[in-house]
Amino acid sequence: QQPVQSPQAVILREGEDAVINCSSSKALYSVHWYRQKHGEAPVFLMILLKGGEQKGHEKISASFNEKKQQSSLYLTASQLSYSGTYFCGTETQPGTASKLTFGTGTRLQVTL
Amino acid sequence: NAGVTQTPKFRILKIGQSMTLQCTQDMNHNYMYWYRQDPGMGLKLIYYSVGAGITDKGEVPNGYNVSRSTTEDFPLRLELAAPSQTSVYFCASSYLAREGRGEKLFFGSGTQLSVL
Repeated sequence: QQPVQSPQAVILREGEDAVINCSSSKALYSVHWYRQKHGEAPVFLMILLKGGEQKGHEKISASFNEKKQQSSLYLTASQLSYSGTYFCGTETQPGTASKLTFGTGTRLQVTL
Repeated sequence: NAGVTQTPKFRILKIGQSMTLQCTQDMNHNYMYWYRQDPGMGLKLIYYSVGAGITDKGEVPNGYNVSRSTTEDFPLRLELAAPSQTSVYFCASSYLAREGRGEKLFFGSGTQLSVL
């Protein structure tokens, strides 16, 4: 079943922070995060495996709460380059990405 | 290093026509995937391959076929195109280095297909 992302869209001014959430109705093994700029291919940001670890990528970090079956992506001091659509992908068991189910995405727009 | 290369970038088909979307990767990845992305939606898996000669269906395989004769190439064939196949198609590859550690997907730049 497809994970649910929230919010669906968000507009930020440069320098502001944002949180994007990804929730599943099933127990999760891992959560993947990708960013897609308009007209381009999705680009990998990070993978979080069960265990509650938090990972970081520049000023973008994420957490994974396996008990709540959800992950959150944190964008700190947003930059114009952060604009795009963010997708989470969830796995309920270890294996290949054939087990990944993607959410419908959160559109983020950063303005001056 | 080119990564994942898809051709063509754009294509318009008439209903009932057939075509092949090409995908090649030069990273020696064992896993390859085809996704479709409809407007405002996430990625849906069409077919995937875990190695040369091995393919399997994903979530939305109807109307498509694939083959994997080499590690590098994974073409997607559309037979009897229908308007419902209008979408953006992404090829991706990955390398599962160790079981259970997850893997990141490398995507091609996409093919925008319209069936009219």
